[in-house]
Amino acid sequence: GAVVSQHPSWVICKSGTSVKIECRSLDFQATTMFWYRQFPKQSLMLMATSNEGSKATYEQGVEKDKFLINHASLTLSTLTVTSAHPEDSSFYICSACDRSVTGELFFGEGSRLTVL
Amino acid sequence: RKEVEQDPGPFNVPEGATVAFNCTYSNSASQSFFWYRQDCRKEPKLLMSVYSSGNEDGRFTAQLNRASQYISLLIRDSKLSDSATYLCVVNRDNFNKFYFGSGTKLNVKP
Repeated sequence: GAVVSQHPSWVICKSGTSVKIECRSLDFQATTMFWYRQFPKQSLMLMATSNEGSKATYEQGVEKDKFLINHASLTLSTLTVTSAHPEDSSFYICSACDRSVTGELFFGEGSRLTVL
Repeated sequence: RKEVEQDPGPFNVPEGATVAFNCTYSNSASQSFFWYRQDCRKEPKLLMSVYSSGNEDGRFTAQLNRASQYISLLIRDSKLSDSATYLCVVNRDNFNKFYFGSGTKLNVKP
């Protein structure tokens, strides 16, 4: 079945640095990918919808200048957390929809970010 | 009102029990429905798609009721390994929008 790969799976960085997370669809083309963050014991919170070749659509309350999304190809979307701070520490997950398979949503393995 | 609502639980059941989860959705234009399972600190994984006619996969049965706008998941003969959070996911706008329930926590105890 379709697979979505996310990298890195975990990252520790110093406050003020930027961190890039990649999300790839491995055997299907994804014109749309989704980025979520998840705090402990809480559900996924959609941050933004990444659209290939155009600007991402951000959910209310998510700072677009803080969380830069680039969807340069049909198989790759990146999320960059700029000037990360400890409150940005979270589990970030991407997903992509394989429309050829009844629209099922496939998730990346997630990236655990810890900002010191 | 939330797009998708689930009872957060936790549901604490003994091994072998039958347990049912419900999930309601608010928008009648919703098109596709899914149950995902999420283990602690892992990404969600698709458990079942939910079809109008209902579908079964081993010990798991999913039902859709469009008139009442809810979907259900029934787990029979619960195993310890079924302990996880079960997420209800609803799609509309031709797969451009996905909405998640808050998840229902299941604890299966020996």
